[in-house]
Amino acid sequence: EVQLLESGGGSVQPGGSLRLSCAASGFTFSSYAMSWVRQAPGKGLHWVSVITGSAITTWYADSVKGRFTISRDNSKNTLYLQMNSLRAEDTAVYYCAKGGSSGRLEYWGQGTLVTVSS
Amino acid sequence: QSALTQPPSASGSPGQSVTISCTGTSSDVGAYNYVSWYQQHPGKAPKLMIFEVTKRPSGVPDRFSGSKSGNTASLTVSGLQAEDEADYYCISYAGANNLGVFGTGTTVTVL
Repeated sequence: EVQLLESGGGSVQPGGSLRLSCAASGFTFSSYAMSWVRQAPGKGLHWVSVITGSAITTWYADSVKGRFTISRDNSKNTLYLQMNSLRAEDTAVYYCAKGGSSGRLEYWGQGTLVTVSS
Repeated sequence: QSALTQPPSASGSPGQSVTISCTGTSSDVGAYNYVSWYQQHPGKAPKLMIFEVTKRPSGVPDRFSGSKSGNTASLTVSGLQAEDEADYYCISYAGANNLGVFGTGTTVTVL
């Protein structure tokens, strides 16, 4: 059974940093691209970042480019999102998902809430 | 990348059909057969319902079907049931050097 379990969310002041983690199990983690998708309260879904299985290639939404870094540790079956210089508009539930930019996001975690507020 | 355009809402009575549109451009929806659809119930993670325009993952009822014409993709839910009431989002691939783009979302109400 595929499982994705996010952690690391919480409250942070503007300008602060957080690192999200997504522990994966039930599939060959290194063989699949992985994505981070976020959803602001009461709003729609927005892709944040994608990383290939080998971690050679990454993509970022313009809104987070230069502030967020996606990475993965295939030996630990874990996906990460390092978020720096956080802004109020980054407040959202962050989901990790199995799949990449083709849009076939087969499995999703339960989400972790990030709140940026002074 | 601009968000794909979906109608904010759609509705139908139990047993009826509802179709949701997802309009993009010749650089995303119109260029590739990589449109997916997701269902999201309140407080829950999204669930993949359709991928590559017309394909259904195992476990998704055949009441859900997808299609595409030009720059517009569509999701049809036939034989509406109460549990189909949810938000629906489309996604399209947008090329090798781009992150894909989500639709604006449609709330489906079962009357």
